[in-house]
Amino acid sequence: AQSVTQLDSQVPVFEEAPVELRCNYSSSVSVYLFWYVQYPNQGLQLLLKYLSGSTLVKGINGFEAEFNKSQTSFHLRKPSVHISDTAEYFCAVRASGTYKYIFGTGTRLKVLA
Amino acid sequence: NAGVTQTPKFQVLKTGQSMTLQCAQDMNHNSMYWYRQDPGMGLRLIYYSASEGTTDKGEVPNGYNVSRLNKREFSLRLESAAPSQTSVYFCASCGLQEQETQYFGPGTRLLVL
Repeated sequence: AQSVTQLDSQVPVFEEAPVELRCNYSSSVSVYLFWYVQYPNQGLQLLLKYLSGSTLVKGINGFEAEFNKSQTSFHLRKPSVHISDTAEYFCAVRASGTYKYIFGTGTRLKVLA
Repeated sequence: NAGVTQTPKFQVLKTGQSMTLQCAQDMNHNSMYWYRQDPGMGLRLIYYSASEGTTDKGEVPNGYNVSRLNKREFSLRLESAAPSQTSVYFCASCGLQEQETQYFGPGTRLLVL
């Protein structure tokens, strides 16, 4: 079975500072990895995904993530955050050959002026 | 395209009442999903349908039933609502052409008294 761990439930950061949101997963088979963002009172939308190939993945709004197979991690980064990045961020995993997506518990990013 | 639509947006039930949450997508996606979102617990998969005519249990199926009415529609039924089912419910869909990306509806906020 797959699982996803987001250790940081809340991350405060000042505007224009860099941020890293951590995600670790466990799986006995190869996986697809995702980061979704949820703005208040909305559904989730995709930030970026890793399916195969290059381990550095670039997404929307200046976010990027790196797949590290040996560390079983898929951390999300942004070099300079904006107030508008304040939202909840979810990491998700889907094992290849299955249809089930497993989500982490989320990280609330609070960008401070 | 409307994407993924959910009805109703809000609902208040008394313990023991039943109701059906409706979900429809107009993107010709094969797979559809129901999740619940609770504070501190992220999104948990209730049921999913990999294709029309099939349904499977997710992480938290107890107390729920689903129907994949056709390729577009996937409903979630609470036969006898309990306060523990107070949550925000999200429907999502995914198609081969989307390369594993899930598209989410806006959610249904359910309160069970």
